[in-house]
Amino acid sequence: SQTIHQWPATLVQPVGSPLSLECTVEGTSNPNLYWYRQAAGRGLQLLFYSIGIDQISSEVPQNLSASRPQDRQFILSSKKLLLSDSGFYLCAWMGLGETQYFGPGTRLLVL
Amino acid sequence: GESVGLHLPTLSVQEGDNSIINCAYSNSASDYFIWYKQESGKGPQFIIDIRSNMDKRQGQRVTVLLNKTVKHLSLQIAATQPGDSAVYFCAETLSGGSYIPTFGRGTSLIVHP
Repeated sequence: SQTIHQWPATLVQPVGSPLSLECTVEGTSNPNLYWYRQAAGRGLQLLFYSIGIDQISSEVPQNLSASRPQDRQFILSSKKLLLSDSGFYLCAWMGLGETQYFGPGTRLLVL
Repeated sequence: GESVGLHLPTLSVQEGDNSIINCAYSNSASDYFIWYKQESGKGPQFIIDIRSNMDKRQGQRVTVLLNKTVKHLSLQIAATQPGDSAVYFCAETLSGGSYIPTFGRGTSLIVHP
């Protein structure tokens, strides 16, 4: 069966520091991968999606970037965090069935 | 988008009641729909899905109804339990399209014991 992992689960970072969040998927090949951000009590905001290795599309211009160095690995990064980057970051994958499955999320607090 | 910036609507029910959560979708061409449940501090979890060639699908204690005429989707939860308390999101997708689902605003379901 397929599983999706995210780490870390929780992260507290100072403003201006770098960021690296990692997402890996097991049990499937060539999935579509997605990064979402969710503010407290809000809906899901799509940040990036990828249909293959090194193929990244950005939905929202900001100080975040994404990379997909391997088929089942998706990384969200920032060189300098802003206070507004705080939130709950969710990684998701989609296979042939067009159903998205979400990871457990990373809660980021920028101070 | 609208679903990102607004506070979530809330539905409060008593334990044992049936709950109905509604969702209006935007694209009349969408042909695949999903309901997700998100508990506090966790990622959204798949509950049930339905394709546009159906108007009703049942799972364990949950039923999804699709009305394509008015672009409306509903999730019915029978005999609601405290463990059903969560935020529920609907999502619509167009098969063969961009593979980017469009999510609804979400509804916060609160079940009182």
